[in-house]
Amino acid sequence: NAGVTQTPKFQVLKTGQSMTLQCAQDMNHNSMYWYRQDPGMGLRLIYYSASEGTTDKGEVPNGYNVSRLNKREFSLRLESAAPSQTSVYFCASTSFNYGYTFGSGTRLTVV
Amino acid sequence: GEDVEQSLFLSVREGDSSVINCTYTDSSSTYLYWYKQEPGAGLQLLTYIFSNMDMKQDQRLTVLLNKKDKHLSLRIADTQTGDSAIYFCAENRNDYKLSFGAGTTVTVRA
Repeated sequence: NAGVTQTPKFQVLKTGQSMTLQCAQDMNHNSMYWYRQDPGMGLRLIYYSASEGTTDKGEVPNGYNVSRLNKREFSLRLESAAPSQTSVYFCASTSFNYGYTFGSGTRLTVV
Repeated sequence: GEDVEQSLFLSVREGDSSVINCTYTDSSSTYLYWYKQEPGAGLQLLTYIFSNMDMKQDQRLTVLLNKKDKHLSLRIADTQTGDSAIYFCAENRNDYKLSFGAGTTVTVRA
């Protein structure tokens, strides 16, 4: 009964380094999402995948890329990390209008 | 700024009722949600309401929806220390994407 699993939970990067945030769900959900959370700004959508094989930009896609590897997995890649990407990143999934299921988050610091 | 707006802070005495307010802008939103985030954790779905409803009650939680004013509220009866958290209002715009407010930090004092 894992739900949405994100790895890693914490990460510190140097400016210019790259990394991939992993997300997997075991609920057979069609749609998956990546959000970032910054103080006082709520959650902002980075990218989403409405179904396996499709990805679309959200509100703040610059500096990120995504891959919907299969129905279960949706990864977020930072090619060249910047301090402005310091944030908490959440993955979520859903199949219906009854709300999203969120992972526990990845806390990323870029120095 | 966000399309969904909430006040940022609420302080309430233990045992009192808490009311968290939210305004949204998209009248075509079909579902509206309340999420709870405890420190260091992800968001947990508390409750949701379909746009053709005015009210939904679930144990200590009451959601009121005023579509005319695009106003959503969450009332927590008999607020407990475990209710201290950030509460997010969110709207669904028919495209499986949720838009979130900035969150209301609720502090329960003894």
